[in-house]
Amino acid sequence: DAMVIQNPRYQVTQFGKPVTLSCSQTLNHNVMYWYQQKSSQAPKLLFHYYDKDFNNEADTPDNFQSRRPNTSFCFLDIRSPGLGDAAMYLCATSRGQGGNQPQHFGDGTRLSIL
Amino acid sequence: GEDVEQSLFLSVREGDSSVINCTYTDSSSTYLYWYKQEPGAGLQLLTYIFSNMDMKQDQRLTVLLNKKDKHLSLRIADTQTGDSAIYFCAGNLGYKLSFGAGTTVTVRA
Repeated sequence: DAMVIQNPRYQVTQFGKPVTLSCSQTLNHNVMYWYQQKSSQAPKLLFHYYDKDFNNEADTPDNFQSRRPNTSFCFLDIRSPGLGDAAMYLCATSRGQGGNQPQHFGDGTRLSIL
Repeated sequence: GEDVEQSLFLSVREGDSSVINCTYTDSSSTYLYWYKQEPGAGLQLLTYIFSNMDMKQDQRLTVLLNKKDKHLSLRIADTQTGDSAIYFCAGNLGYKLSFGAGTTVTVRA
């Protein structure tokens, strides 16, 4: 059974139209992460939550926001998507932030921008 | 930050062993990981090794770590067609993972 669930698997939006991607987890993990992965590249961390504490990476564009209303759910909001935001977005969770608590990924949402 | 390098492609015959290599620069990574990504899917954690270990075996997978040379490898025994995927190695710096660019493994009959 999937433990990190991302919906939808495919999302199409229009240039400049806000879009929200969702992630839920059944692992009861404390930490949730959002990554952006472009074609033929490694995933790039955008931000993460440790419980309710939000941690933004220094180079994450302001266009990207996140919400974590409870332990199980985390959302990625893209306020005004540009063509360069077309990518796979991956959600991951971990029990803690230590290296012996590895990250577990969902299957991703592939975002297309028209 | 950590730089992680991998060879980009590997072609292997079904039934043979595959060896995927990775080098990293920052010796402060306490754990090193191998993830598998199939087309259109997320990353699946295959295995990980504590930096004080030099080997870890898990069924068909063997991880070797040479800390002195900062070299990590993943050996897949008896490679199957289902092993065709992109394999990422990663090192941790605290919570943050530094990924290599990924090695595309193609299994041929």
